[in-house]
This record gives sequence, structure tokens and C-alpha cells, in this order.
Amino acid sequence: EAGVAQSPRYKIIEKRQSVAFWCNPISGHATLYWYQQILGQGPKLLIQFQNNGVVDDSQLPKDRFSAERLKGVDSTLKIQPAKLEDSAVYLCASTRGVNSPLHFGNGTRLTVT
Amino acid sequence: AQTVTQSQPEMSVQEAETVTLSCTYDTSESDYYLFWYKQPPSRQMILVIRQEAYKQQNATENRFSVNFQKAAKSFSLKISDSQLGDAAMYFCAYRRGGATNKLIFGTGTLLAVQP
Repeated sequence: EAGVAQSPRYKIIEKRQSVAFWCNPISGHATLYWYQQILGQGPKLLIQFQNNGVVDDSQLPKDRFSAERLKGVDSTLKIQPAKLEDSAVYLCASTRGVNSPLHFGNGTRLTVT
Repeated sequence: AQTVTQSQPEMSVQEAETVTLSCTYDTSESDYYLFWYKQPPSRQMILVIRQEAYKQQNATENRFSVNFQKAAKSFSLKISDSQLGDAAMYFCAYRRGGATNKLIFGTGTLLAVQP
């Protein structure tokens, strides 16, 4: 089966600009996650979707971050406006269910200058 | 709140030798799962091994095994017969039981394998 697809692979922007990341989960995976991985740290969950509904967004900085999963398939994560501290790798993961393994994409490396 | 601690930022091992990566965690839950993930330069997180807290037997996957000490809240990963392809970042992760797949990760250990 095809893996979790993410794009772009790399993105460089200036602070205060906006940026969007795209994720296409594995077909049939109802649950989708966005993680933020700052250099030298482990991934931190930003938001979890179950189909097209948000299950957990408690750690999403809602003043600048937004995410959607229209039609319960693809998802987009947006940052507007970006700050220097948003420089990180943004990982998307999906799973079929609670006791199924998580499948991660290759991530998008964001650099904010 | 649950926390995961990896106290070894970097480790090195000779090819064909054995190395152990350490992980401790803190939780008040009785039902939970522990994982080790490998992250090569491609950045994709790859599941190495999984341990259910209710199982006393340590999980094993080929050359990878864990030493799960529930009372001590310790979960170390042993890699036997290390190979060059094992070089990567290794993350320990925790997930509480129930209807969630939310993972809490440690800060990672960078493993180098010397030929």
C-alpha cells in the first residue's frame, strides 16, 4: 500500500509570512495526526482528526495555526503569520484505528528566517 | 501528566556489537503502551518495537528487544548484532490505553554505528 504522502519536502519563508503543508494519509485510515518536531526534540502532537472532525487540538497554537481535513481524507496545516520558533519538521501520521500502528510521512522541514 | 525521558543524547556502537538505549517514563495510568521508533535521515518515523504494559514478557523483534521494568518505569531498547543501517535517531514513546493513539515522545538518542 502507498504510504503517507506529504508536501512540500522543504519550505523556507520569512517571519510573518504564511505557509501551508499538505498530507494525504493511507487510504482507509480514518485517524490523522499532525506532529511538530523541533530540532533536538521529539515530535509533539498538534492536532488529531477522526475522519473530518477534530478530536484533540489542545496543543495547537490557534492564534496562528489552523488545520482542516475536508471530506475526511487529505489534510492541510497552515501557519499564519509564521514566527522564528515555528522552524521545525512537521510530520503527518495516519492509522486505521486505535490499536493499529501509526504510519508516518517523511515530513516537511520548515525554516523561518 | 505523562513524560518520557531519554538521558542519552548520543550513543555509538561498533558494527556487530550490542548497544542498549535507555528510556524512563512517568505515568499514573495502569493501562498503557510503550514504543521505540527509529527516525533515519529520511525523517520518516518507523516503528521498531511495541510493549503492552499488562504483558510481563519483554517484546522482541529479530535483533531488537526491550527490557521493560514496570515498577521502575524503565523501558530500554537492546540492539544486537548492530548493522550500519541501524544508525538513526531513536525515540521512546508512550501511549495511554483506551481510545487514543496519541503518542508522547522522548527527546531521542542519536545512534552511530562504527564500521
